[in-house]
Amino acid sequence: GNSVTQMEGPVTLSEEAFLTINCTYTATGYPSLFWYVQYPGEGLQLLLKATKADDKGSNKGFEATYRKETTSFHLEKGSVQVSDSAVYFCALSGVSGSARQLTFGSGTQLTVLP
Amino acid sequence: GAVVSQHPSWVICKSGTSVKIECRSLDFQATTMFWYRQFPKQSLMLMATSNEGSKATYEQGVEKDKFLINHASLTLSTLTVTSAHPEDSSFYICSARDPQDINYGYTFGSGTRLTVV
Repeated sequence: GNSVTQMEGPVTLSEEAFLTINCTYTATGYPSLFWYVQYPGEGLQLLLKATKADDKGSNKGFEATYRKETTSFHLEKGSVQVSDSAVYFCALSGVSGSARQLTFGSGTQLTVLP
Repeated sequence: GAVVSQHPSWVICKSGTSVKIECRSLDFQATTMFWYRQFPKQSLMLMATSNEGSKATYEQGVEKDKFLINHASLTLSTLTVTSAHPEDSSFYICSARDPQDINYGYTFGSGTRLTVV
């Protein structure tokens, strides 16, 4: 079945530092890949997505590239801000039927210090 | 973009009572909605898939009689936690996918914090 392995946290960075959160996946076919962000006490918000190999998703300075050869979708940001402190989830969605439901990684808590 | 509204955002109830949580798609019709449970500092656990006009599909280990799901219309799914106990205290989140979004975008509600005392 589908699975997502995500870099364990927590991650603590200083403001303006470079961020990488690793994510690898196992799936059949060509899944869609997502990064979601969850702020304290809230639901999940879609941060970015990629639907085919070599696609790069980007939003709010965050980027992730769909790498089929390494089955990875690592999240990066060149300069983090305090407001980026949140939990980040990598997820995938299969191609059809029940596989379309989202499979989540374990989440990575990011804390950015001023 | 697609919006999913979840209500209430938090609820406190006594042991033995039932609690209903609503999930609405505001600007699209969702034939399928998903209910998740999240424990502190953990990932989301899919509880069930709610199907409009038919029975929900529950994940292994989730009690159907405990967590009643109704999806009576294309814009509303409800989760009822029956005879709640303290161990049911958790954060519950729903999501839906806009079928018009060809890129399989899922939208999440803001979550419901349930505390059973």
